[in-house]
Amino acid sequence: EIVLTQSPGTLSLSPGERATLSCRASQSVGSGYLAWYQQKPGQAPRLLIYGASRRATGIPDRFSGSGSGTDFTLTISRLEPEDFAVYYCQHYDSSSWTFGQGTKVEIK
Amino acid sequence: EVQLVESGGGLLRPGGSLRLSCAASGFTFSSYAMTWVRQAPGKGLEWVSTVSSIGGVTYYADSVKGRFTISRDNSKNTLSLQVNSLRAEDTALYFCAKEGWFGPDAFDIWGQGTMVTVSS
Repeated sequence: EIVLTQSPGTLSLSPGERATLSCRASQSVGSGYLAWYQQKPGQAPRLLIYGASRRATGIPDRFSGSGSGTDFTLTISRLEPEDFAVYYCQHYDSSSWTFGQGTKVEIK
Repeated sequence: EVQLVESGGGLLRPGGSLRLSCAASGFTFSSYAMTWVRQAPGKGLEWVSTVSSIGGVTYYADSVKGRFTISRDNSKNTLSLQVNSLRAEDTALYFCAKEGWFGPDAFDIWGQGTMVTVSS
């Protein structure tokens, strides 16, 4: 079973700054089956990125995903006030789905 | 509007049983696999179970295998999760989620969740 480790646990930044979130897999992730979600308090998760780099419908272009193999990155180019939230990466492996433990992006 | 609405959560004793439901609308329910994901209070997301579009194939996390049963009724656009032999560690907000339009690797629509609390 692939384990996803996200870093850092918490990222303290100011609006307008660039956020770089990491997701590392315990073994190579085939076919780019890596997704990113945003979750705000009291809300359901929202899909941001699938296939490692494809933005989901309606997601602003300040969100981008990259990476391959075992190392993946979610980048928020310029943080807007509504972007402060918890972000999860997630992997699919034919018969199981795995989430990372999350990275909280908080206002500095 | 594409929507998923969960129901059926509650407060139960250890060893108890419950049936969670998820009502889908705004999309062709029978075309997509459906999934349950849970989130313990203050914790991260945990995949629980997935059922294929026509219900013939099911998958379970090891933590719930043998205790939980996922099913669907495509005639009623409803997803269900029968949860038996509940444990304290099953306490969580249970979300239903839809397979992405692009494939099974991610979930593009989520409900707001239904809370299950297991306590003596």
